[in-house]
Amino acid sequence: EVLLVESGGGLVQPGGSLRLSCAASGFTFSSYWMGWVRQAPGKGLEWVANIKEDGSEKNYVDSVKGRFTISRDNAKSSLYLQMNRLRVEDMAVYFCLGGPHADYWGQGTLVTVSS
Amino acid sequence: QAVVTQEPSLTVSPGGTVTLTCGSSTGAVTSGHYPYWFQQKPGQAPTTLIYDTTNKHSWTPARFSGSLLGGKVALTLSGAQPEDEAKYYCILFYSGARSWVFGGGTKLTVL
Repeated sequence: EVLLVESGGGLVQPGGSLRLSCAASGFTFSSYWMGWVRQAPGKGLEWVANIKEDGSEKNYVDSVKGRFTISRDNAKSSLYLQMNRLRVEDMAVYFCLGGPHADYWGQGTLVTVSS
Repeated sequence: QAVVTQEPSLTVSPGGTVTLTCGSSTGAVTSGHYPYWFQQKPGQAPTTLIYDTTNKHSWTPARFSGSLLGGKVALTLSGAQPEDEAKYYCILFYSGARSWVFGGGTKLTVL
């Protein structure tokens, strides 16, 4: 069974940092691009970032460039999102996804940015 | 950044056919945008229905199909079922910017 399990969400003040993790199992994690998508409360989906199989290419939505860093550890089948200088508008459920054709989604982790 | 547009809402009768579309502010959508379609039901994570314009996953019901249509990418649902009521999102890849952009989503009502 394929599982993507996100963790690391929580309440943080504006300007703070969080590190999200996504633990993958049930598929060959190291063979596929992985990414993060977020959904603000009551809003649509927004692509945040993705990373190539070997980590050699990383891409970001403009609004997070310079603040967020995506990374992966293929030995641990894990995906990460380091989020710095968080803003109120970053508040959302963050989903990890990946697989041959974005086959697999996690259930999401909620990031709340509030003072 | 490019803007991807979808119909905000559509209604289809049970057993009926409906086509959802996804357009790009930069011009015609092509297979080079690697279009995907996702379904999301309230309180759930999205699921991937269609990838690379027309390809289905093993779990995608046969009544869903993808195509290019008049400069847009389309998702057609033939024989709508009550369980198809959901929000549907498309996403397009912009190679120049190496970025993906979601459409705003279409809320599909089966009524």
